Amino acid sequence: AQSVSQHNHHVILSEAASLELGCNYSYGGTVNLFWYVQYPGQHLQLLLKYFSGDPLVKGIKGFEAEFIKSKFSFNLRKPSVQWSDTAEYFCAVNGRSSNTGKLIFGQGTTLQVKP
Amino acid sequence: GAGVSQTPSNKVTEKGKYVELRCDPISGHTALYWYRQSLGQGPEFLIYFQGTGAADDSGLPNDRFFAVRPEGSVSTLKIQRTERGDSAVYLCASSLLAGGLNEQFFGPGTRLTVL
Repeated sequence: AQSVSQHNHHVILSEAASLELGCNYSYGGTVNLFWYVQYPGQHLQLLLKYFSGDPLVKGIKGFEAEFIKSKFSFNLRKPSVQWSDTAEYFCAVNGRSSNTGKLIFGQGTTLQVKP
Repeated sequence: GAGVSQTPSNKVTEKGKYVELRCDPISGHTALYWYRQSLGQGPEFLIYFQGTGAADDSGLPNDRFFAVRPEGSVSTLKIQRTERGDSAVYLCASSLLAGGLNEQFFGPGTRLTVL
């Protein structure tokens, strides 16, 4: 079955702390991987994506993620979080050869950064 | 430019009623997706349009759900005989082309509440 699992449902950090959000997927075939973010009151927007090549990808606002194929993981990291990073984060996957591109999402992680 | 828009932003209806939710994709985007996001969960795929045709409707939960995109632009998601379990945020996304490599841009969603 195709699925995405995010290990942390709710994370609370202080400003300047380091962040790592876990994401594991189950999908037959070659995948594309995504992290989306939803800031309070805003719509989902793409944070970063991995299609191929360097497994360490950098996104907006200092976020990065590492694809580890052997572990079926795509964890999101940021060395030093800011209060403005408070948001909900979703990991998602689709098939590289997919004609549709439909995304399978994890259940999301709510990040709360205390000032 | 304008992003994906959805109307209404909120819809409250009674059990058994019929509702229509509208999505205006980004101009020129050929692919359109509907997702449903229940409380505490990530978005779940419902249906995908390439142009005017529903190319993949495998995510529609049952035959009470139907969607159209008659002119290849605006799409309407229709729910008949609504049930309390249909309460969720319904998200629309569009991408320039179909397929796994094309970024999906999400709208703000319609929050449906079935009393």
